[in-house]
Amino acid sequence: DAKTTQPPSMDCAEGRAANLPCNHSTISGNEYVYWYRQIHSQGPQYIIHGLKNNETNEMASLIITEDRKSSTLILPHATLRDTAVYYCIVVPYSGAGSYQLTFGKGTKLSVIP
Amino acid sequence: KAGVTQTPRYLIKTRGQQVTLSCSPISGHRSVSWYQQTPGQGLQFLFEYFSETQRNKGNFPGRFSGRQFSNSRSEMNVSTLELGDSALYLCASSLGTGGMTGYTFGSGTRLTVV
Repeated sequence: DAKTTQPPSMDCAEGRAANLPCNHSTISGNEYVYWYRQIHSQGPQYIIHGLKNNETNEMASLIITEDRKSSTLILPHATLRDTAVYYCIVVPYSGAGSYQLTFGKGTKLSVIP
Repeated sequence: KAGVTQTPRYLIKTRGQQVTLSCSPISGHRSVSWYQQTPGQGLQFLFEYFSETQRNKGNFPGRFSGRQFSNSRSEMNVSTLELGDSALYLCASSLGTGGMTGYTFGSGTRLTVV
């Protein structure tokens, strides 16, 4: 079973920041938070991941609460091409680099012109 | 650099037949994972291969199998196809050695069983 809870859908105006929440209240100390997105008819695309510190890359920012029970993915300036299903996934650390992704239903983000 | 390549993109098979799907990972990536995506069950993990060995396996029947070659290319095979096997099959690759780097997915093979 997926260990995360996400709203089924969200709308965001083009050019505005999109803030996608994720609840992972049962997360363990060695589990990472990953975000992927899937644009229609394509494979999922890795966005970002983090353990407990906030992270930023060229695509997005990840804000993890201090208790690590929830996180928010921020797309700073949403464009129409950001319309996709966004998945928040909790993954236990594996020193061998082997882990499986357990996808939930994700959040369908619609960016509106 | 080239991404993850899956072939074929589309496939139509008849119940009872078998099918082989192919995945070429990003150059230098040694881990290849396979996922099945259906409207009802969403994305589900099938198995992962690293250095020609299956390292992780999901909860699928034995009709689903895979292998990885010395060049890291991978194939998955489904025998005795059932209508419920109709799905988008996705392959993902990563370095696979330590750390928690993200997976890069291919565009998938859409299998239709009739």
